[in-house]
Amino acid sequence: GQNIDQPTEMTATEGAIVQINCTYQTSGFNGLFWYQQHAGEAPTFLSYNVLDGLEEKGRFSSFLSRSKGYSYLLLKELQMKDSASYLCAVKDSNYQLIWGAGTKLIIKP
Amino acid sequence: DTAVSQTPKYLVTQMGNDKSIKCEQNLGHDTMYWYKQDSKKFLKIMFSYNNKELIINETVPNRFSPKSPDKAHLNLHINSLELGDSAVYFCASSQDGLEVAPLHFGNGTRLTVT
Repeated sequence: GQNIDQPTEMTATEGAIVQINCTYQTSGFNGLFWYQQHAGEAPTFLSYNVLDGLEEKGRFSSFLSRSKGYSYLLLKELQMKDSASYLCAVKDSNYQLIWGAGTKLIIKP
Repeated sequence: DTAVSQTPKYLVTQMGNDKSIKCEQNLGHDTMYWYKQDSKKFLKIMFSYNNKELIINETVPNRFSPKSPDKAHLNLHINSLELGDSAVYFCASSQDGLEVAPLHFGNGTRLTVT
């Protein structure tokens, strides 16, 4: 079967750095997405990786290792507004999007 | 504003009723989707439409039926509602249904069946 694993919940301090990991086992791979979802709101697109390496976008970076079936989302200079769930999703060989359950990130002052 | 909009935001109804959720996108996207997010926060795809044709139909009960009058609209009809249908339903769109275009989500409809 296809599976996406992420930690259920993480806590970090305002101003610090946090890394949210995602491992996947899918039938084929056509890209990995990270989405942010604030409580009671819609998911919004953060990043996309299809090649190995690090993609940087402001305070957020996303890393991919296809051989390890592994990605992480790195958030720097954490702000209170970063408190949200972070969803990892992979497109399989049929271009179907497989979603993880998300990581709830709690930021403390 | 360009966006994916869905109505209603909240829907409370009794078992056995029939209800509809509407979705519209003005992004000019080719493909629209319906997702169900349950209490455990898993997003599960229900349907997608590309140019008014159904291209993905996951194994959802046939009580759920998508209706797409045109490329910009994808409505969801639910017949004979059951308690287990309670969830948040998200409409989404993307530029292309096959390639790695990101999804744009509506704000969700929280359905509560009593």
